[in-house]
Amino acid sequence: DIHMTQSPSTLSASVGDRVTITCRASQSVDRWVAWYQQKPGKAPKLLMHDASDVEGGVPSRFSGGGSGTQLTLTINSLQPDDFAIYYCQQYSSYPWTFGQGTKVDIK
Amino acid sequence: QIELQESGPGLIKPSETLSLTCTVSGDSIRGSNYYWGWLRQPPGMPLEWVGSVSSSGSTYYTPSLDSRLIISLDTSRNQFSLKLTSVSAADTAIYYCARVRGANWFDTWGQGTLVTVSS
Repeated sequence: DIHMTQSPSTLSASVGDRVTITCRASQSVDRWVAWYQQKPGKAPKLLMHDASDVEGGVPSRFSGGGSGTQLTLTINSLQPDDFAIYYCQQYSSYPWTFGQGTKVDIK
Repeated sequence: QIELQESGPGLIKPSETLSLTCTVSGDSIRGSNYYWGWLRQPPGMPLEWVGSVSSSGSTYYTPSLDSRLIISLDTSRNQFSLKLTSVSAADTAIYYCARVRGANWFDTWGQGTLVTVSS
């Protein structure tokens, strides 16, 4: 299985900050990664796939990058609605696996 | 607009078989280009992909559950289901059904249903 490790596990930030979450894969996943946002008591919401292809309706402050074993999710100008847990998911090879999550909370 | 809704028991005893159903509205699973999947999330823990099924009925399971798991389609009811045998406390989780785009990523999710395994 491909192991996905996210860093940091928790990120404390303020409204307006630029934050970056990193997802490291135990082997190359090329760009076959999706990112999700999950709020308490809710199902995850797809933000982007193929590392940087942002879903319709997702604010433009969200962007993704990287390839191989290091992928990133960046939120420019953090908004109050962005405080949540973020997960990466690889679909380079079965079984699909997720990172452990990064909690973005208010500083 | 597509919606998915999980249904099933909230409490199940160890060694029993867990059966969950996902009802899809706003899209037809018959002949669809999408796959349909199940994921789970133990309380306070990360997400785990359980398995997926194509519209033609081909299935893909996570290896750790492969021997206990069956995912199937019921196109007449526009539903897909999960059966997990011999459950234990380790199977306690919120179970989500989801539409799988490109066979790979989960673009629409149900609200999730908490399943507790306890005697």
